[in-house]
Amino acid sequence: GDSVTQMEGPVTLSEEAFLTINCTYTATGYPSLFWYVQYPGEGLQLLLKATKADDKGSNKGFEATYRKETTSFHLEKGSVQVSDSAVYFCALSDRVVSQFYFGTGTSLTVIP
Amino acid sequence: NAGVMQNPRHLVRRRGQEARLRCSPMKGHSHVYWYRQLPEEGLKFMVYLQKENIIDESGMPKERFSAEFPKEGPSILRIQQVVRGDSAAYFCASSPGQGAGYEQFFGPGTRLTVL
Repeated sequence: GDSVTQMEGPVTLSEEAFLTINCTYTATGYPSLFWYVQYPGEGLQLLLKATKADDKGSNKGFEATYRKETTSFHLEKGSVQVSDSAVYFCALSDRVVSQFYFGTGTSLTVIP
Repeated sequence: NAGVMQNPRHLVRRRGQEARLRCSPMKGHSHVYWYRQLPEEGLKFMVYLQKENIIDESGMPKERFSAEFPKEGPSILRIQQVVRGDSAAYFCASSPGQGAGYEQFFGPGTRLTVL
């Protein structure tokens, strides 16, 4: 079945450091891929998405490229800020069924 | 346009009681999804509903859990005879359509604590 494997955390970085959070997926069809962010005590917010191979999603300085050959959708940011501290979830949505499959989440803490 | 609303935000129940969680989707959205997030884990799909219909309940436990999305009013996730293992955050999401390209918009969640 479909699944998402996400880099485990927690991750602690200094402000302005480079961020990579790895995400790989398994899917039988042609899924859409998403990154969601969850701030403490809140629900999930869409950060970015890509709907087909080689698409790059980007938002607020974060980027991820849909790589079909490596079945990956790694999240990157060139210079993190304290305000980026949150839990990040990689997810996929199968074209046939409507449910989302989420990774276990990666907690990011950015220290000044 | 108000986002997805869930209430209550926090719910405390004793073992054996019933828990009712409510979700009002975004205006114009007729697709509702419920997820459960256990401590230190990701979200697990529970059920997908459209107005008056359960489309996919493959993630729902077979006993004690039920969900509905009536023609009028919010979607309800009902847990009967709660046990400590039901303690979790329950998130509702809505979308304007069905299919992989549609984003799901999440509510703030209901945090259920079973004593």
